[in-house]
Amino acid sequence: ILNVEQSPQSLHVQEGDSTNFTCSFPSSNFYALHWYRWETAKSPEALFVMTLNGDEKKKGRISATLNTKEGYSYLYIKGSQPEDSATYLCAFAYNTDKLIFGTGTRLQVFP
Amino acid sequence: SQTIHQWPATLVQPVGSPLSLECTVEGTSNPNLYWYRQAAGRGLQLLFYSVGIGQISSEVPQNLSASRPQDRQFILSSKKLLLSDSGFYLCAWTGTGVSPLHFGNGTRLTVT
Repeated sequence: ILNVEQSPQSLHVQEGDSTNFTCSFPSSNFYALHWYRWETAKSPEALFVMTLNGDEKKKGRISATLNTKEGYSYLYIKGSQPEDSATYLCAFAYNTDKLIFGTGTRLQVFP
Repeated sequence: SQTIHQWPATLVQPVGSPLSLECTVEGTSNPNLYWYRQAAGRGLQLLFYSVGIGQISSEVPQNLSASRPQDRQFILSSKKLLLSDSGFYLCAWTGTGVSPLHFGNGTRLTVT
């Protein structure tokens, strides 16, 4: 059974703090690693799709890194804002068709 | 541009009743289509995916089934719902190769 783990489960930070989350996935049969942001009452939105070991992606204050050899990815948020409050999901793709999701990290940013 | 429609948004059904959730995609052809479920306190679980008309792969044994009668239509069904079928159901599509999932707005199903 393929397992994707995310930590921490939840995180409360003050506005302006920087934070990061971890996604652990199997290091074999790697195809791609996805990050999604899921805000309350909305559907998940894609942040990044990464395929290469050592890959780094950035979108505004959010960035992600990838280590396929050891099976982990980090998501960083610099200077958190209340609008960053959401559940952040990672998903491991082991072929072109299937994505296995982690349980997510729920972030709350307090003003 | 591509859009995905999923309905209904909410549904309350008694145990033993049938289920039909529908999802359609516009603006793309031959998408990969997916049904995911989020049960209370859990992550997104892949239920079914399809790479073409009539091609369905099931990821978990259950009393649900899926069908793809047309290229951009994906249907999730059950003949008899169980209490454990309650949850939030999301339809999604991707293009070919490495591309992100695009999700519908979801259906909140409560089985009573």
